Amino acid sequence: AQKITQTQPGMFVQEKEAVTLDCTYDTSDPSYGLFWYKQPSSGEMIFLIYQGSYDQQNATEGRYSLNFQKARKSANLVISASQLGDSAMYFCAMRELRGGYNKLIFGAGTRLAVHP
Amino acid sequence: DVKVTQSSRYLVKRTGEKVFLECVQDMDHENMFWYRQDPGLGLRLIYFSYDVKMKEKGDIPEGYSVSREKKERFSLILESASTNQTSMYLCASSSQGANSYEQYFGPGTRLTVT
Repeated sequence: AQKITQTQPGMFVQEKEAVTLDCTYDTSDPSYGLFWYKQPSSGEMIFLIYQGSYDQQNATEGRYSLNFQKARKSANLVISASQLGDSAMYFCAMRELRGGYNKLIFGAGTRLAVHP
Repeated sequence: DVKVTQSSRYLVKRTGEKVFLECVQDMDHENMFWYRQDPGLGLRLIYFSYDVKMKEKGDIPEGYSVSREKKERFSLILESASTNQTSMYLCASSSQGANSYEQYFGPGTRLTVT
């Protein structure tokens, strides 16, 4: 069963506008965490933001915020004031404890294009 | 500054060849991971290691093996490369601290098997 679902293979946004990248997850573990990573065309994975399942407030990091809706099992990434350099692949991932070890389960990714 | 390096950015090998992908981290992390990335599938875990000489299978270990003789180095081995192993391979490391869940990634190796 797919644990992390990113339903948007591709998105585009105008420079300086906000964009929301969707992520839904499935787990029966009460303790989990959700990550967003950015992968530019150069290939490296860049950590953006983390939300723990027990965190009371939505995580924010500069222009990035995570819209965490626990009951709906969604963890959407919101990028405010998009910049051309935001064009990249974005991956949602969930930390899951399996066999005594923390592992990351990744979604298929969303390719974001920022247009001038 | 944290750093994970991979031995090659691009690699072309022939079917049946033995292939070694090397990963080195300088953060003294206990955990190291190998993923492969394919379009539409995201990243899938091949193997991981939580200590020297220790390894655990991930979700897609078939056709791969790993070696961790030193804490800073984690090698992925394709014993007999096949065309369906053409992919992007990403190495990552993380600490075992109580709240240290973030994984730090290398730049990736794009492997083509012909």
